[in-house]
Amino acid sequence: GDSVTQMEGPVTLSEEAFLTINCTYTATGYPSLFWYVQYPGEGLQLLLKATKADDKGSNKGFEATYRKETTSFHLEKGSVQVSDSAVYFCALSSPPRGGGGNKLTFGTGTQLKVEL
Amino acid sequence: KAGVTQTPRYLIKTRGQQVTLSCSPISGHRSVSWYQQTPGQGLQFLFEYFSETQRNKGNFPGRFSGRQFSNSRSEMNVSTLELGDSALYLCASSFQPGQGAGYKAEAFFGQGTRLTVV
Repeated sequence: GDSVTQMEGPVTLSEEAFLTINCTYTATGYPSLFWYVQYPGEGLQLLLKATKADDKGSNKGFEATYRKETTSFHLEKGSVQVSDSAVYFCALSSPPRGGGGNKLTFGTGTQLKVEL
Repeated sequence: KAGVTQTPRYLIKTRGQQVTLSCSPISGHRSVSWYQQTPGQGLQFLFEYFSETQRNKGNFPGRFSGRQFSNSRSEMNVSTLELGDSALYLCASSFQPGQGAGYKAEAFFGQGTRLTVV
């Protein structure tokens, strides 16, 4: 079945440091890939997505490229801010076998703490 | 545009009781999914409804059930509560762009219902 593996946290960085959160996946076919972010006490918000190989998703300075050959979707940001402190989830959604379907498979989440 | 609304935000129930959680999706979204979030198991898919029909189901016991109404609002029910059911339950809605393309769609999440079973 589908699965997502992402690096363990917590990750602690100084403001303006470079961020990488690794994410690899296992899926049949060509899934869509997502990064979601969760702030304390909140639900999840979509950060970025990519729906086909070599697509780059980007938003708010975050980027991730869909790498089919390495089954990866690593999240990067060149300069993190204190306000980026949150939990980040890598997720995938595979094409349904039947009609429709919108099931997300999540990684375990990586907590990021950015300090001044 | 209003977001996904989940009610109530917090619940405390006793073992053996049952509970019903509610989710109002974004207007125009016909797909509603439910997820359970716990520190030990992370985010796990419960089920998905589309136009009042359950399309997908995760690996949860039959005590977990759901339904969707004609206005796309959804409820999930957990019967005979166990301590291990304590979790944050998240609802997500999405717009289905076309037949079979739902897997590309962004899911919009509510703030969740925090269920504590004592």
